[in-house]
Amino acid sequence: EVQLLESGGGLVQPGGSLRLSCAASGFTFSNYAMSWVRQAPGKGLEWASAISASGDDTYYADSVKGRFTISRDNSKNTLYLQMNNLRAEDTAVHYCAKVVGNYVDHWGQGILVTVSS
Amino acid sequence: DIVMTQSPESLAVSLGERATINCKSSQSVLYSPNNRNYLAWYQQKPGQPPKLLIYWASTRESGVPDRFRGSGSGTDFTLTISSLQAEDVAVYYCQHYYSSPPTFGQGTKVEIK
Repeated sequence: EVQLLESGGGLVQPGGSLRLSCAASGFTFSNYAMSWVRQAPGKGLEWASAISASGDDTYYADSVKGRFTISRDNSKNTLYLQMNNLRAEDTAVHYCAKVVGNYVDHWGQGILVTVSS
Repeated sequence: DIVMTQSPESLAVSLGERATINCKSSQSVLYSPNNRNYLAWYQQKPGQPPKLLIYWASTRESGVPDRFRGSGSGTDFTLTISSLQAEDVAVYYCQHYYSSPPTFGQGTKVEIK
């Protein structure tokens, strides 16, 4: 059974940093691209960042480019999202997502990041 | 970026009746060399992550009831729930994956009338 378990969220002040982690199990992690999809409270879904299976290729939405860094450790079956210079508009549930051909076939439960003073 | 527009924003349907959700892309998501539409549908129940229902516009994910049907091609797509059940109350999203970035529609909320 595929499992994606996010951690590292919480409350942070504007301008602060957080590092999200996603521990993956139940599939061969190194064979799949992964993504972070986020959802602001009461809003829709945004494909925030993605990384290829090898980690060589990355994608960032314009809204996070230059502030967020996605990475992965295939030896630890773990996906990361380093979030710097956080803004109020980054407040959202962040979902770790297993990607197949650029659609998501499995989602984590999500973790809330709240940016507020 | 390809813009995905869903309609209606919400709909209320009686139990056992049909629910129809539309999704329109700002450009075609049909890739001619393989004749595939790069379009997925997701269901999100309150307090839960989204769940994949349909990919390639009409292929049901394993375990998805056959009352869910995806159709359409090019720029116009439809998700049909043939006989609405109480457990189908949710927000439904379409998403293209034809090009980068993949983008989602704004969602359609389905409720019981």
